[in-house]
Amino acid sequence: QQQVKQSPQSLIVQKGGISIINCAYENTAFDYFPWYQQFPGKGPALLIAIRPDVSEKKEGRFTISFNKSAKQFSLHIMDSQPGDSATYFCAASRVGSFYNTDKLIFGTGTRLQVFP
Amino acid sequence: DGGITQSPKYLFRKEGQNVTLSCEQNLNHDAMYWYRQDPGQGLRLIYYSQIVNDFQKGDIAEGYSVSREKKESFPLTVTSAQKNPTAFYLCASSRLAEEYSYNEQFFGPGTRLTVL
Repeated sequence: QQQVKQSPQSLIVQKGGISIINCAYENTAFDYFPWYQQFPGKGPALLIAIRPDVSEKKEGRFTISFNKSAKQFSLHIMDSQPGDSATYFCAASRVGSFYNTDKLIFGTGTRLQVFP
Repeated sequence: DGGITQSPKYLFRKEGQNVTLSCEQNLNHDAMYWYRQDPGQGLRLIYYSQIVNDFQKGDIAEGYSVSREKKESFPLTVTSAQKNPTAFYLCASSRLAEEYSYNEQFFGPGTRLTVL
């Protein structure tokens, strides 16, 4: 129930193409779904996040699509660039209660390589 | 600059030795976390702390210990009881969740530990 399943494990995309990474969860109490981006040898950094009251959130070339009934969410990277080559992690959490921050549950990661 | 620092970046130890990884943050965050990252397994939570002098076990706490004597510091000790300690270790911090808010975690650059 606490798992977040992420696919694919690796992804190779040509420059200018669309990269799509999918995640699925079981716990219906989750209501916060962030995506983190990690470059080699660095720590992850928050890329974009969504709450389940919307079905889509877009920030520049990055879009999260959210399907509450299917318990799935995905990251779309439009016009993929070589600089997007990194590992991407989805995650899920519940809203925090006062003075109690809830844990983030991470997917297993997707290594994206964008070739020119 | 505000942020999280981890030292050292690379660490080598002989089998059977304890080793302590440093994590310091100047973001004035109450909550701090330690994760372990292995290829294909994503981020696994070792320990977390929401307040000074208090901490909780995560999913893989066996063979690890922590302390939280100061708000800005959360060192992790990898003990000789940890059977497979070679990994990339990440420290993170976040604000304590206020009611109906979400847990955005900020990560340090990581420490790569290799047991020889």
